[in-house]
Amino acid sequence: ETGVTQSPTHLIKTRGQQVTLRCSSQSGHNTVSWYQQALGQGPQFIFQYYREEENGRGNFPPRFSGLQFPNYSSELNVNALELDDSALYLCASSRNNEKAFFGQGTRLTVV
Amino acid sequence: GENVEQHPSTLSVQEGDSAVIKCTYSDSASNYFPWYKQELGKGPQLIIDIRSNVGEKKDQRIAVTLNKTAKHFSLHITETQPEDSAVYFCAASLNSGGSNYKLTFGKGTLLTVNP
Repeated sequence: ETGVTQSPTHLIKTRGQQVTLRCSSQSGHNTVSWYQQALGQGPQFIFQYYREEENGRGNFPPRFSGLQFPNYSSELNVNALELDDSALYLCASSRNNEKAFFGQGTRLTVV
Repeated sequence: GENVEQHPSTLSVQEGDSAVIKCTYSDSASNYFPWYKQELGKGPQLIIDIRSNVGEKKDQRIAVTLNKTAKHFSLHITETQPEDSAVYFCAASLNSGGSNYKLTFGKGTLLTVNP
């Protein structure tokens, strides 16, 4: 098991609502990346945070936003939820862009 | 941007046989190639990785090979066991110090090891 923990593990939201997902990075890691994994697909990069600043972003709209805190934990916020946002959201932590270790994910269902 | 193709999408082997999963990438600048194993209901687990300055790497029953010229890399699992059954993902990225560490994943291979 990695030291990356995510909460909650499962979540059901209604279309149009907002959601916040949380990630605690592994001890000693300063970089957190977020990925979206649709059913039957590989993870897709959303964005990365390094030392509390966004350090790269994938092809996701601005309603996907994030934060990284001084203890290197992170949040992913999604506004105006759409049905297609239903997916497994994965957080990965690393130290200085070295090996990335994933958490168990948050399963988001939008109804 | 980078594009990673992974084959086959499903693979079924008998216990004790070998399994090979192949990936190709499009961006010749990519220099880091990890492999992840994902069991049902869990996050991806890093099982082995290789950098572009190395052609082959082995860790017990698992090995990865890289052909930079052809932009191919492969995962080899020998003496497969039922607990090897999972979805395997290859990925590629450009890892250059403090630059963006974006992993581009293949679509995955469902490996089933039959007892």
